[in-house]
Amino acid sequence: EVQLVESGGGLIQPGGSLRLSCVASGFTLSDFWMHWVRQAPGKGLVWVSRVDGDGSTTTYADSVKGRFTISRDNAKNTLYLQMSSLRADDTAVYYCARGGHYNWDAAGYWGQGTLVTVSS
Amino acid sequence: QSALTQPPSASGSPGQSVTISCTGTSSDVGNYNLVSWYQQHPGKAPKLIIYEVTKRPSGVPDRFSGSKSGNTASLTVSGLQAEDEADYYCSSHAGRDNLGVFGGGTKLTVL
Repeated sequence: EVQLVESGGGLIQPGGSLRLSCVASGFTLSDFWMHWVRQAPGKGLVWVSRVDGDGSTTTYADSVKGRFTISRDNAKNTLYLQMSSLRADDTAVYYCARGGHYNWDAAGYWGQGTLVTVSS
Repeated sequence: QSALTQPPSASGSPGQSVTISCTGTSSDVGNYNLVSWYQQHPGKAPKLIIYEVTKRPSGVPDRFSGSKSGNTASLTVSGLQAEDEADYYCSSHAGRDNLGVFGGGTKLTVL
């Protein structure tokens, strides 16, 4: 059974840093593109970042470019999102999602999400 | 990339059919047969229900169907059931070097 479990969210002050983790099980992580998607309270879904199977190709939303870094440790079955210079508008539930073998594949599996609140 | 355009709400009675539209541009929806639809119940993670415009993942009822014409994709839910009440989001591939783009979401109410 495919499972994705996010952690690392919490309350952080503006300008601070946070690292989210997503532990994957039930499949071989290196075979799949992985994504981070966020959802601000009461708002819609937004693609944040994606990474290919070996971590060599990454893409970011303009709103997080230069502040967020996506990475993966396939040996640990873990996807990461390092977030820095956090702003109030980064407040959201962050989901990790499994893509496919290509960057255009849909996200077929999602974690339960972890809430990041940026506030003083 | 601009968000795809969805109606904010839709509704139907049990047993009826409802169609939700998703309008993009020639750079996303119109250029690729790579539209997907996600269902999200309150407080839950999204669930993929349609991919590549018309395909259903295993386990998704055939009451859910997708289509596309030009720059607009559509999700049709037939034989509405109470458990179909949820938010629905479309998404499209937007090019090799770009992230995908979501629609703003449609809240489906089963009357």
